[in-house]
Amino acid sequence: ETGVTQTPRHLVMGMTNKKSLKCEQHLGHNAMYWYKQSAKKPLELMFVYNFKEQTENNSVPSRFSPECPNSSHLFLHLHTLQPEDSALYLCASSQNTGGTDTQYFGPGTRLTVL
Amino acid sequence: AQSVTQPDIHITVSEGASLELRCNYSYGATPYLFWYVQSPGQGLQLLLKYFSGDTLVQGIKGFEAEFKRSQSSFNLRKPSVHWSDAAEYFCAMTNTNAGKSTFGDGTTLTVKP
Repeated sequence: ETGVTQTPRHLVMGMTNKKSLKCEQHLGHNAMYWYKQSAKKPLELMFVYNFKEQTENNSVPSRFSPECPNSSHLFLHLHTLQPEDSALYLCASSQNTGGTDTQYFGPGTRLTVL
Repeated sequence: AQSVTQPDIHITVSEGASLELRCNYSYGATPYLFWYVQSPGQGLQLLLKYFSGDTLVQGIKGFEAEFKRSQSSFNLRKPSVHWSDAAEYFCAMTNTNAGKSTFGDGTTLTVKP
């Protein structure tokens, strides 16, 4: 499999549930990203990892907990979410985190919080 | 602070007509600029990018964009639109230091038969 894959593609959860989103990149990149895409809002960067180390946390609530065990895998652990957290969560990767490094996006996980 | 503005929320064009999607940026230096396309239920796909050099860049699917420093713009163009081009288009920039990306709000393109 090539590119950036995300599972699951759709997720419905209650506010008391705990779930995880998974992202895997097969491009040999060193950097991985989580974005949130809500309706009628610009793409919001949530977290950046470079060589497994978190380099950016864009003031994301603690109910979102990222994990990057290696440069190919990125997880987003979810707990005690709110309905306003319903959105498309996109994962991306790039060779490094330089300005010229193109980001390659996965298809996203459509999350609905009831 | 850096910012990207896409003035048009929604554009409708007829199939075969030309297309121009506008993008303006705000940044103290020359940024790195990108255009992405997102089809429904999909992630973002890179159409083209500009780092330096020739200000007219060619991308995939017959798209091109022109960087105009004097207007702080990076407009996307296509001479003849196909029905399959209907999607949402995002302009983005990264600064030359940290590489943090800023995306515009997107422009939704509808193509009339």
